[in-house]
Amino acid sequence: ETGVTQTPRHLVMGMTNKKSLKCEQHLGHNAMYWYKQSAKKPLELMFVYNFKEQTENNSVPSRFSPECPNSSHLFLHLHTLQPEDSALYLCASSQVRGPYNEQFFGPGTRLTVL
Amino acid sequence: AQKVTQAQTEISVVEKEDVTLDCVYETRDTTYYLFWYKQPPSGELVFLIRRNSFDEQNEISGRYSWNFQKSTSSFNFTITASQVVDSAVYFCALSEKRGGGSQGNLIFGKGTKLSVKP
Repeated sequence: ETGVTQTPRHLVMGMTNKKSLKCEQHLGHNAMYWYKQSAKKPLELMFVYNFKEQTENNSVPSRFSPECPNSSHLFLHLHTLQPEDSALYLCASSQVRGPYNEQFFGPGTRLTVL
Repeated sequence: AQKVTQAQTEISVVEKEDVTLDCVYETRDTTYYLFWYKQPPSGELVFLIRRNSFDEQNEISGRYSWNFQKSTSSFNFTITASQVVDSAVYFCALSEKRGGGSQGNLIFGKGTKLSVKP
């Protein structure tokens, strides 16, 4: 596979469930990102990992827990979510140093919290 | 603080019309990068172009062209002879250069939804 992949593409969960979103990049990048995209809101950066280390957490509630075991994989663990957490969750990767810093995005996971 | 404004929330055109999507940015840095992304209904953001602050040359790629003007802090995107497949949400974004050669995070505008009718 090439580019950035995300699984699952769609997820429906109850507020008491625990689930995980997975992201994998095949571009040799060293930075990975989670974004949240809600209806009528701009893209919200949630977490940033550079070289597997979390460098940013934009005041994200603790019911979202990221994990980055290596530079190619990124997870978002979800537990006791709220209906307002329903959104499209996008993963991206980039080369954090050097001139080419554009981020490449995965197709997203459409999350619905009942 | 950095900010990206896309004043046009939605634009609707008929196929073959030209359309320009506006983007205005704010930054205090002298070195920064500007981007355009396309988000089709499938959801994935597709990278279209990156421009650094020292390169004010306009760029053309097929039916797409970009007009970067530092004097007005604008980075507008024009689609010539639009097609139905151009229907998508288009995002403008800004990042600043940080120390140590690393790049800042992307600051996105709210996006412009373009609908091209046949």
